[in-house]
Amino acid sequence: DTEVTQTPKHLVMGMTNKKSLKCEQHMGHRAMYWYKQKAKKPPELMFVYSYEKLSINESVPSRFSPECPNSSLLNLHLHALQPEDSALYLCASSQASGGRETQYFGPGTRLLVL
Amino acid sequence: LAKTTQPISMDSYEGQEVNITCSHNNIATNDYITWYQQFPSQGPRFIIQGYKTKVTNEVASLFIPADRKSSTLSLPRVSLSDTAVYYCLVVPTGGGNKLTFGTGTQLKVEL
Repeated sequence: DTEVTQTPKHLVMGMTNKKSLKCEQHMGHRAMYWYKQKAKKPPELMFVYSYEKLSINESVPSRFSPECPNSSLLNLHLHALQPEDSALYLCASSQASGGRETQYFGPGTRLLVL
Repeated sequence: LAKTTQPISMDSYEGQEVNITCSHNNIATNDYITWYQQFPSQGPRFIIQGYKTKVTNEVASLFIPADRKSSTLSLPRVSLSDTAVYYCLVVPTGGGNKLTFGTGTQLKVEL
């Protein structure tokens, strides 16, 4: 099973809402990632978790709060987002994060902030 | 991190071989060259990775010259379903497995 699943597929939220994105993998991978992708742009790394600990935060605003409850799950909590945060949010996982391991991406959650 | 440069777009026809070249002039000794493919509204998918010379798998071939300052992804006999964005990345052996995506090449395959 080389699948990374993400829920929900689509999300519309207001600027005062609190919502969460969920990502799950059952490949035994110990590294998980969040990326943000705006339309017609490449994905941009937001966070890296390694062995359930946050190892990289690419200076992401605090209105995005990642959480890794266990090695299979990765959440992204959203609060007080801005319309410019509308994007495709991609989750990925890899065997580890030591370097150059293949990352497996989920289909993404398309977020619209009104 | 080494910066990559690739053509913004390419057009081809079904059945042709497509070669997408990527420039990475400041690649470091421990860096690998990796290619991902992305269809609209999907996450990127790993295609191939190499360090030098030639790597081939069931999907593509990757050619890397001795100086490693460029690489070429070769897709044999493309079909309509190969229409996608192709990203060339330089990935360091260490450093948290950070993927830095460049602008990518939009490949359009027509009948």
